[in-house]
Amino acid sequence: DAMVIQNPRYQVTQFGKPVTLSCSQTLNHNVMYWYQQKSSQAPKLLFHYYDKDFNNEADTPDNFQSRRPNTSFCFLDIRSPGLGDAAMYLCATSRGGSGWAYEQYFGPGTRLTVT
Amino acid sequence: GQQVMQIPQYQHVQEGEDFTTYCNSSTTLSNIQWYKQRPGGHPVFLIQLVKSGEVKKQKRLTFQFGEAKKNSSLHITATQTTDVGTYFCAGTAGGTSYGKLTFGQGTILTVHP
Repeated sequence: DAMVIQNPRYQVTQFGKPVTLSCSQTLNHNVMYWYQQKSSQAPKLLFHYYDKDFNNEADTPDNFQSRRPNTSFCFLDIRSPGLGDAAMYLCATSRGGSGWAYEQYFGPGTRLTVT
Repeated sequence: GQQVMQIPQYQHVQEGEDFTTYCNSSTTLSNIQWYKQRPGGHPVFLIQLVKSGEVKKQKRLTFQFGEAKKNSSLHITATQTTDVGTYFCAGTAGGTSYGKLTFGQGTILTVHP
């Protein structure tokens, strides 16, 4: 089945120690998104890629970076995690179309703990 | 910037009762989507509404998009324990690049058997 896969499902890192989360998709979608979701809150968009074009949200901290080496894979790098970065990180994909929103397919998420 | 408000934040119902969650946007939306997130799970797409005044049904779920395309609602008839979860609306404003969604805060539904 076509799907969105995230690894690892659970990640524990130390305060200030860089961490990378990965996402892969078999849907061949143009757009890939990274969201941060804290307990009982809505997903918060960090950034997204339309093909190779990177789009950063204005309020995404510089501490968060992303890479998309090819259509199938996307990575979230947190350079110096703080305690406030502990959250669920959701990767999502969708078809692309300028000014149009297609349904987004979410991965299972990576729960990040910062000690 | 665009804001999407969703109420209520929590709803507790007895199994068999109806449930409604409401979504209001500060700006006119080009379309609105609804997602369900089960406890411990990830958001799953339910439906998209595009037209002014549009009403769509999925079994016991009825979705509406307001005439002014600034509000929407999800109504569940005769809730079941399988309906438990958080329901999010998510809107796209006109002219937004690549269909960026602005999520409402979500309504957490608890169903007591």
